[in-house]
Amino acid sequence: ETGVTQSPTHLIKTRGQQVTLRCSSQSGHNTVSWYQQALGQGPQFIFQYYREEENGRGNFPPRFSGLQFPNYSSELNVNALELDDSALYLCASSSLAEEQFFGPGTRLTVL
Amino acid sequence: GESVGLHLPTLSVQEGDNSIINCAYSNSASDYFIWYKQESGKGPQFIIDIRSNMDKRQGQRVTVLLNKTVKHLSLQIAATQPGDSAVYFCAENMGWGKLQFGAGTQVVVTP
Repeated sequence: ETGVTQSPTHLIKTRGQQVTLRCSSQSGHNTVSWYQQALGQGPQFIFQYYREEENGRGNFPPRFSGLQFPNYSSELNVNALELDDSALYLCASSSLAEEQFFGPGTRLTVL
Repeated sequence: GESVGLHLPTLSVQEGDNSIINCAYSNSASDYFIWYKQESGKGPQFIIDIRSNMDKRQGQRVTVLLNKTVKHLSLQIAATQPGDSAVYFCAENMGWGKLQFGAGTQVVVTP
């Protein structure tokens, strides 16, 4: 186990709703990156947080937003959910630019 | 745009044989690559990495080869075991630990 935890494990929402996913980073890490993994595909980079500031963003719309807290844990928020948002959401913690350690993910289903 | 991709979606290997997983990348400026293993219900797990100033790197039962001329990366697993059954991803570091993943190869180890 990597020491990175995510909650909840599974989540079911309906189209148009909002969701918040949480990630606790590994002790000593100050960077959290979020990825979306659709079924049968590789993870896609959403954004990265370093010391509470966004430090890069992938090709995702503004309704995907995030936060990082002083203890370096992080939240991913998705507004106005769409069916295509159904995926496994992974967070990875690291010290900036060092090896990333992934959590087990949150499986989001949008109906 | 730039992308990282894999040649084979599924690889069936007999227990004890060697496995070779291939990956093509298109960004000639890429200088750091990582191989991940993802088992069902888990996040990606780091296997081995390689920088562009190297052609080969070995770990425990795994070897990564990098051919910059043809922009090709491979992962070799020696004496494949049932526990090696998983999806394998190559990933390209886009900078500051932001990873771009390929689609993945499913490795199935048969007795």
